[in-house]
Amino acid sequence: LAKTTQPISMDSYEGQEVNITCSHNNIATNDYITWYQQFPSQGPRFIIQGYKTKVTNEVASLFIPADRKSSTLSLPRVSLSDTAVYYCLVGRRYNFNKFYFGSGTKLNVKP
Amino acid sequence: DVKVTQSSRYLVKRTGEKVFLECVQDMDHENMFWYRQDPGLGLRLIYFSYDVKMKEKGDIPEGYSVSREKKERFSLILESASTNQTSMYLCASRQVGLITYEQYFGPGTRLTVT
Repeated sequence: LAKTTQPISMDSYEGQEVNITCSHNNIATNDYITWYQQFPSQGPRFIIQGYKTKVTNEVASLFIPADRKSSTLSLPRVSLSDTAVYYCLVGRRYNFNKFYFGSGTKLNVKP
Repeated sequence: DVKVTQSSRYLVKRTGEKVFLECVQDMDHENMFWYRQDPGLGLRLIYFSYDVKMKEKGDIPEGYSVSREKKERFSLILESASTNQTSMYLCASRQVGLITYEQYFGPGTRLTVT
């Protein structure tokens, strides 16, 4: 499984758009990219997954360039409640039970 | 909504004790997982279960065993607790048949072994 690299932490202000980039240089053809969110004292929560180009849901957007060696999670107009750790994961297409959780990015949203 | 519950939020045990961590999910999911989370190391998979009575080792199974006698319940057992097993333990479940990496996590059990 491809390892992922993310910034350790990021700061933002309420109302701003936040983009968190993840590097996965060794991603394989069959790998999917997934993002999770974790609040303090809670288990991680699935946000979004994608294979290529752009995916959007009610919470976030995921941008994946053509070479797929990186991906960007975009959170529109963050609020204080978006303060959390965000994990980028890469998982093998036919093995949905195993993926690599890195250390994540701690996003701190300020008023 | 899927709900995954864990028997304790906080647990303190002594070295050498046998420890049971219980996890229950209410959505009839076939797959269940046990992870531990440590600062700087992210989440690491200990064991997972495909279905009742079926299990597979994850990345760090040493010192742990599991039991899945009923579909909704997945237990993690520390046969003889040691201080290096002090950690946050997270249980998760997943529905098969979907092309998704979405797992549903419980709130976690913070275990301290003294």
